[in-house]
Amino acid sequence: GNSVTQMEGPVTLSEEAFLTINCTYTATGYPSLFWYVQYPGEGLQLLLKATKADDKGSNKGFEATYRKETTSFHLEKGSVQVSDSAVYFCALGWGYQKVTFGTGTKLQVIP
Amino acid sequence: NAGVTQTPKFQVLKTGQSMTLQCAQDMNHEYMSWYRQDPGMGLRLIHYSVGAGITDQGEVPNGYNVSRSTTEDFPLRLLSAAPSQTSVYFCASRSNLAGGPGGELFFGEGSRLTVL
Repeated sequence: GNSVTQMEGPVTLSEEAFLTINCTYTATGYPSLFWYVQYPGEGLQLLLKATKADDKGSNKGFEATYRKETTSFHLEKGSVQVSDSAVYFCALGWGYQKVTFGTGTKLQVIP
Repeated sequence: NAGVTQTPKFQVLKTGQSMTLQCAQDMNHEYMSWYRQDPGMGLRLIHYSVGAGITDQGEVPNGYNVSRSTTEDFPLRLLSAAPSQTSVYFCASRSNLAGGPGGELFFGEGSRLTVL
C-alpha cells in the first residue's frame, strides 16, 4: 500500500547549519507530497507541498522537490535557526482525501 | 479566526470509562477527521467524514465512535477506555473543494488523553 518513510531523529544541529530530512514514499498513481511541522504543544501545520513530479515547494526558507524517479521529497534548509526546533512530518496525499503520514523527525537547533 | 477547536486539552480516565472529545471548525470545511499520535508511529487516521451525515473508518477505528450531525462539529467517542488508547488526539479539517490529494489539512491543538 501507500506509505511514507522518513529519517529517524532526533536531529541536533547548531544554528546556521544546513538541514536535510530525508523522506521517501511508495505510492501508485499521482500522489501529492507534503511537509507538516509541529511546534511544541501545538497541532500540525502545513509547511510546504508539491502536487506533481519536479514541483518544488518552498516556505520560510525550507524547500523540497518532488522526485518521481527516486520517489523522494527531502526537506532542506540552508541555515537553521533555534526557532525551527520542531517535529517535521512528511505526508502523502492520494486517492480522494487520503493522507498518510510518516513517523516524524524531531529537530533540535542549539545556539 | 478560531480554525479548528478541540476540547478538552487534557483528560485522565480510568479503564472502562467513556468520554467524548469535541472538535469544532468554523471554516465551513466538509471534510473532518480524527488522528491519534503515538511515539514512533506518526499520525494514524481513526475516523473521517466528508460531510454532514457521512462517516467512515480510517486505519485504527476500533474502540471509537463518531457522528457528524452538523458541518461544524465532529465529536469522537471512546466507548470503554483502555490503556492502549492513551495518546494525543488531533482533529483536522479540509475543504472538499480542495479536492483530490492536494488539499491542506488544518489541525486543532490536540487533546492529550491518559487512561489508567
